[in-house]
Amino acid sequence: EDQVTQSPEALRLQEGESSSLNCSYTVSGLRGLFWYRQDPGKGPEFLFTLYSAGEEKEKERLKATLTKKESFLHITAPKPEDSATYLCAVRATSGTYKYIFGTGTRLKVLA
Amino acid sequence: DAGITQSPRHKVTETGTPVTLRCHQTENHRYMYWYRQDPGHGLRLIHYSYGVKDTDKGEVSDGYSVSRSKTEDFLLTLESATSSQTSVYFCAISEGIGGKASTDTQYFGPGTRLTVL
Repeated sequence: EDQVTQSPEALRLQEGESSSLNCSYTVSGLRGLFWYRQDPGKGPEFLFTLYSAGEEKEKERLKATLTKKESFLHITAPKPEDSATYLCAVRATSGTYKYIFGTGTRLKVLA
Repeated sequence: DAGITQSPRHKVTETGTPVTLRCHQTENHRYMYWYRQDPGHGLRLIHYSYGVKDTDKGEVSDGYSVSRSKTEDFLLTLESATSSQTSVYFCAISEGIGGKASTDTQYFGPGTRLTVL
């Protein structure tokens, strides 16, 4: 069964304390892996798409990496404004519409 | 930012009443989706559309129907709302599926918070 698991469920960091969020996936064939940021009361905001193992993408303090079994979202020297829920989703090569979402990691960065 | 709006943004209704949520896009994207988001669950697909008048069911479609008469509009209808349909509903769009992988990325609207009493 296709599945996405994110860990940890919640994470509290001090400002400047770097860390990583994990997204483990099981799909028959990966077409793409997506990272989103979601602020309270808002829709998910697109961050990155990764397509193949070994690929990396960066945006400001965020860097996403991909292996054949998992993806990491590395947050370097986070700031309080990075506090949000980070969602991971995958799309398999099989199936026409199926995007499988994880339940997210709630990140809180303390000043 | 992708041009996606949802209306209404908040709605409170009573059990048994019909409710229609609207999603409007200005990106001319072919695919549109309706998801619901509930605590402890990832985003779950209700219905999706792959073109005008072309729709199909997602994993949690019972109790919901959709219509798409124009490229830019996708409507979600709860024929007879129940308390289990209290949720936050998100519309998403994507450029395409089956072509370049880069067209798979979904962009989300701001959401509609629906409460069924």
